Amino acid sequence: KAGVTQTPRYLIKTRGQQVTLSCSPISGHRSVSWYQQTPGQGLQFLFEYFSETQRNKGNFPGRFSGRQFSNSRSEMNVSTLELGDSALYLCASQGSATDTGELFFGEGSRLTVL
Amino acid sequence: AQTVTQSQPEMSVQEAETVTLSCTYDTSESDYYLFWYKQPPSRQMILVIRQEAYKQQNATENRFSVNFQKAAKSFSLKISDSQLGDAAMYFCAYRRGWQGAQKLVFGQGTRLTINP
Repeated sequence: KAGVTQTPRYLIKTRGQQVTLSCSPISGHRSVSWYQQTPGQGLQFLFEYFSETQRNKGNFPGRFSGRQFSNSRSEMNVSTLELGDSALYLCASQGSATDTGELFFGEGSRLTVL
Repeated sequence: AQTVTQSQPEMSVQEAETVTLSCTYDTSESDYYLFWYKQPPSRQMILVIRQEAYKQQNATENRFSVNFQKAAKSFSLKISDSQLGDAAMYFCAYRRGWQGAQKLVFGQGTRLTINP
């Protein structure tokens, strides 16, 4: 079974630009959540989608948004990039049939904002 | 709000020895999960071990075991017979027990070095 796939793995943007990151969950998983990882703030929850609906949202500005498609793939978008948005963005999926509580993570997308 | 604290930013251990990583958490919930995740240099976060709060028995996975003290809100990870492949960042994480609550609250992490 393929794991969680995130694209792109690395990207460089400049301030003011926008970026879209993609996440394909494990087949059959309907919940996708996103986390931002930085050296200073650690791992912080961004949002979670389940069956195309945002179910939970972290404490991030409105520049951070996401969506989920009918095939459970998810995208997150960051508009008007700031230097502080440089981070590793992790996507995680979870199956809902049996709630073991475990999240399965992708390898992340490393965003650098110049 | 729930918080998770890992007080050891870095730890090191000799190969084949035992090491314990500390984690404390704060919550007013009675139903929750606790996790230890490992993040090697390749960056993919991998689940090491999971503990349901309602279970009194400490979870064990091969060389990994936890000491779950619910009243003290403590959840430490013991790694026995440390191996070079255990070198990684280790994150303690908390999740509410409600099935719709998928948010993980992470500690700041402990970087574990294994000395050959």
